[in-house]
Amino acid sequence: ETGVTQTPRHLVMGMTNKKSLKCEQHLGHNAMYWYKQSAKKPLELMFVYNFKEQTENNSVPSRFSPECPNSSHLFLHLHTLQPEDSALYLCASSPRDRGRFGYHEQYFGPGTRLTVT
Amino acid sequence: TQLLEQSPQFLSIQEGENLTVYCNSSSVFSSLQWYRQEPGEGPVLLVTVVTGGEVKKLKRLTFQFGDARKDSSLHITAAQPGDTGLYLCAGGRNQGGKLIFGQGTELSVKP
Repeated sequence: ETGVTQTPRHLVMGMTNKKSLKCEQHLGHNAMYWYKQSAKKPLELMFVYNFKEQTENNSVPSRFSPECPNSSHLFLHLHTLQPEDSALYLCASSPRDRGRFGYHEQYFGPGTRLTVT
Repeated sequence: TQLLEQSPQFLSIQEGENLTVYCNSSSVFSSLQWYRQEPGEGPVLLVTVVTGGEVKKLKRLTFQFGDARKDSSLHITAAQPGDTGLYLCAGGRNQGGKLIFGQGTELSVKP
């Protein structure tokens, strides 16, 4: 079991570049999440997908565009980012059908360390 | 805004000492999770508590959910260098998978 994988692990991009982050989960889960982790701040939820449908957009700027083609894959498309977008971007997944609170038990990937120059 | 306040934010102790980390809120949560995160990695789920007053043990780690389901504590007995990391609490409510995370407690256990 490889859990949740994320690629790339590190990314440096200029403000005019377009790049994508990829997440894949091998746990049979049907909910997937994108989080942003900045220094000295709590994890910030960005997007939630349940059964490939987006159910949460936490007021994220449009320069971040998620895509969920199936329950195992999640992408975060990036364009015209700002230096303050530099952070660790974490993907997570959770089951929706494992007991009453199964969807609260989230399993994280190792993250993509993004630096915007 | 629902907030989870963790304390202390930083803790540096010697191997063998005991410690307690607190997670407090003015809001009621239906479940509370504790995670540990090591540098360069994502958080790893340690435990979920769902019943007020519930106590769960994981080897030398003891987790407790407050009676009113607004707070939680993590107690580590005889800490070891391998316990070093960022400990995060997260509260869930009944509105889907949205979790509220605390800002974390950075623990350093020196040999």
